Amino acid sequence: GAVVSQHPSWVICKSGTSVKIECRSLDFQATTMFWYRQFPKQSLMLMATSNEGSKATYEQGVEKDKFLINHASLTLSTLTVTSAHPEDSSFYICSAHRSGVIGNEQFFGPGTRLTVL
Amino acid sequence: SQQGEEDPQALSIQEGENATMNCSYKTSINNLQWYRQNSGRGLVHLILIRSNEREKHSGRLRVTLDTSKKSSSLLITASRAADTASYFCATLKAAGNKLTFGGGTRVLVKP
Repeated sequence: GAVVSQHPSWVICKSGTSVKIECRSLDFQATTMFWYRQFPKQSLMLMATSNEGSKATYEQGVEKDKFLINHASLTLSTLTVTSAHPEDSSFYICSAHRSGVIGNEQFFGPGTRLTVL
Repeated sequence: SQQGEEDPQALSIQEGENATMNCSYKTSINNLQWYRQNSGRGLVHLILIRSNEREKHSGRLRVTLDTSKKSSSLLITASRAADTASYFCATLKAAGNKLTFGGGTRVLVKP
């Protein structure tokens, strides 16, 4: 099956610093990747759609200048949380889209837990 | 915003019992998917049911889809302690490739 990795799996940082999270599709090419955020005991909320070679599309209410997304290759998308604050502490999950026979199949990474002190 | 609503929000059962959870959605869909998430971990894809399908089975899982009511159910039969997790439905709209997740059901299976 298709594998998606995320790095790091967890990160602790000081308030005001920036944190970069990587999402890689290991054995397939992904023209589209998605970034989700999940607060404790809540569901996944889509933050943005990352398109290879073009600008990301952000969901309503997500600040594009705070959550910088770069999708420079068909196997890598990065999410940078700029000037992180404690309220940005969350579980960030990416998924990669691969067109398949059953249609629009997505594969999820294991998530990155961000704690901002 | 969440398209799907799930109920119950939490479910506690004894090992061996069946667990049923429901998902409702609002717009036309291409397919509906169910995922499991263990605490603090990533998502595990369980099953996908297309809009033209009504029922699907996979091992101890049974999923139904009623597009007229815009609802789906997930049944886990003969539950095990290892089934303890949160379960999420996610819908793929008829147009586009974004998944929209329901609120989730936290299932506790007591040994």
